[in-house]
Order: sequence, then structure tokens, then C-alpha cells
Amino acid sequence: EVQLVESGGDLVQPGGSLRLSCAASGFTFSTYWMHWVRQAPGKGLVWVSRINSDARSTNYADSVKGRFTISRDNAKNTLYLQMNSLRAEDTAVYYCARDTAYGMSVWGQGTTVTVSS
Amino acid sequence: QTVVTQEPSFSVSPGGTVTLTCGLSSGSVSTSYYPSWYQQSPGQAPRTLIYSTNTRSSGVPDRFSGSILGNKAALTITGAQADDESDYYCVLYMGSGIWVFGGGTKLTVL
Repeated sequence: EVQLVESGGDLVQPGGSLRLSCAASGFTFSTYWMHWVRQAPGKGLVWVSRINSDARSTNYADSVKGRFTISRDNAKNTLYLQMNSLRAEDTAVYYCARDTAYGMSVWGQGTTVTVSS
Repeated sequence: QTVVTQEPSFSVSPGGTVTLTCGLSSGSVSTSYYPSWYQQSPGQAPRTLIYSTNTRSSGVPDRFSGSILGNKAALTITGAQADDESDYYCVLYMGSGIWVFGGGTKLTVL
């Protein structure tokens, strides 16, 4: 079964850091691009970042550029999102998703990040 | 900055047909934007319906179809059912490794 499982969400103070993980199983992780997508409470989906299959190419939404870093460990079938200088507006459920033909074909269940003092 | 537009809300009668659209604040959507569509029920993760304009995701019934209509991407639901009542999102690939979601459409079946 194709599956993505996020972890690492937590309550963190403004200015703090957090690393999210996304464990993949049931498919050849190393051959797929991967995304992070977030959803603030009561709001819509927002694309955050993408990484290509060999981690040589990454892209970010303007709202997180310079603060967030996407990475992956293909040997561990795991995707990461390092989040620094967190702000209240980063509060959201964060989903990882597998890319297929420039769309998100498989989603995890999400992990919740709350930025508050 | 280009905004991806969706109808904020739509309603359809049970058994009816509804077409949701996904446009651009400037310009036309084409297959080169690889439009994809997602269904999300409250408290749930998104579910992929359509990717690359019109490719149905595994397990998605053929009541759901994607297309380009005029200058927008479109998601058509035929034979609407009560459990189709959800939020629907589109996302467009803008090129240069950037994706943008629309604001979502809240579909009511009544």
C-alpha cells in the first residue's frame, strides 16, 4: 500500500525551529518528486515546497523562502522540512505529497504545527 | 502575482451535474499548467481526483472528469451524490518549479 506518514508537528514559540518528517512506503520513493503543502486553520491549501527525486533541485513559495529547507534521504525513504524563524502565520497542518505529472497524487494525513507564545 | 481563481461556493441537486472551474487572474489555463483537482472533507487530508488535466486518480469513479473549458480548467461531477459535498481545490503548475492552489470551492449537494 502506498503510504505517506508525517511527524514532527508541535507547539513552538515565534522565532523557533522545527523539523517535519514524512516517511514513505509502498513505492519507489527515490524516483518521485515530493511536495510539502500546508493548510492554516479554516483556510485553503497552500503549496510550500518541492524537491526533485535526487534532491538536486528545490523550490519554495515566497512566504517561506529563506526560512524553510526541504530535503530528503532516499536511503531512508524520508522527506523532511526544516522550518526556522517560525511565525504565527506558519501555524497550519502540513501535508507531504507525492508528485505525479506535476500534480500531487498521494497525500499523507498531515501533522500540525502551532506557532504561539 | 498571478492568482488562481475558483468559485467560492456552488450547489448541485442530488443526481445533477456540476462543473467547477479553475482560472487565472491574468491569462488562460491550458494543459501546460497541468491542472489537478482535489477533494477535501472536513478534518480529512485531501484526496486526489484528477491530475494532468484529465487523468483520473486510482479509485476515483468516472463521475469525476477533468477538462479545459474555454480559458479555464474544469472539474465536472455527474450524478452528484450526498458524499460529494466537500471542498474542492485545483492547483496549477506555474513553471520554474512553482505551484499555486486556488482558493477552493465549497460544494453543497441539496
